[in-house]
Amino acid sequence: DAGVTQSPTHLIKTRGQHVTLRCSPISGHKSVSWYQQVLGQGPQFIFQYYEKEERGRGNFPDRFSARQFPNYSSELNVNALLLGDSALYLCASLRGTGNTGELFFGEGSRLTVL
Amino acid sequence: GQQLNQSPQSMFIQEGEDVSMNCTSSSIFNTWLWYKQDPGEGPVLLIALYKAGELTSNGRLTAQFGITRKDSFLNISASIPSDVGIYFCAGLFSGGGADGLTFGKGTHLIIQP
Repeated sequence: DAGVTQSPTHLIKTRGQHVTLRCSPISGHKSVSWYQQVLGQGPQFIFQYYEKEERGRGNFPDRFSARQFPNYSSELNVNALLLGDSALYLCASLRGTGNTGELFFGEGSRLTVL
Repeated sequence: GQQLNQSPQSMFIQEGEDVSMNCTSSSIFNTWLWYKQDPGEGPVLLIALYKAGELTSNGRLTAQFGITRKDSFLNISASIPSDVGIYFCAGLFSGGGADGLTFGKGTHLIIQP
C-alpha cells in the first residue's frame, strides 16, 4: 500500500505569489493534517481535516487555508507568500476517528520563497 | 502557547553506547509521542504513550510518560549506525477538539565510528 503522497516535492516562488500543495492520505485514512517545518525546528501544526471538515487550526494567519475532498485528499493554499513561508510542508494522515496523535507523514513539499 | 523543551540539542556518541533524551513542558499533555526524522523524509512514529507513568518499549527503544504529564524521556540502548537522525518529542492535548501535535525542536543524534 502507498504511504502518504505529496506534490510537488520542491518548488520555488517569489514574494506575493500564492502556492497550492497537494496530499493524498494512506488508503482508508479519513483524516489529514498539515504541518510547517522550518529548517532546524520541529513541525508546527497548521490544520487538521476529517471527513472534509476542519477539526483543528494552529496559530497561522488567514493567508493559509486548506480543504479536503470527498476522496480524502487535501490541498494547502498559501496566499501572498512571504520569505518566512519558506519551509518543508508536511502532510500526515491519521488512522481511525479518534485523535491519537499517531500520524503517518509524507516526505513533504519543500517551498522556497525568493 | 504550549512549548516543549527538548534536550540535548545534539549528541555525539560511539556505536554501541546507550542514548537518553528528554522533553519537558510547561503544560500538561494527555499523550506523548516520539518521532524520528531522516534527511529528506517525514517524521516516523517510534513510540506513543497514553497514560501518566506509562513505560513502553519498542525493540531497543524505551520511553516513559512522566507522572506529572509534563515530561517524557526516550532511551536507546546499544546504538547502531541506522539510529542516526533527528528525534522529536511531541505532545497532544485533546481538549474536546482536534488539536494538533506540539513538537520539540529535536535531538540530533550523531554516531561516531
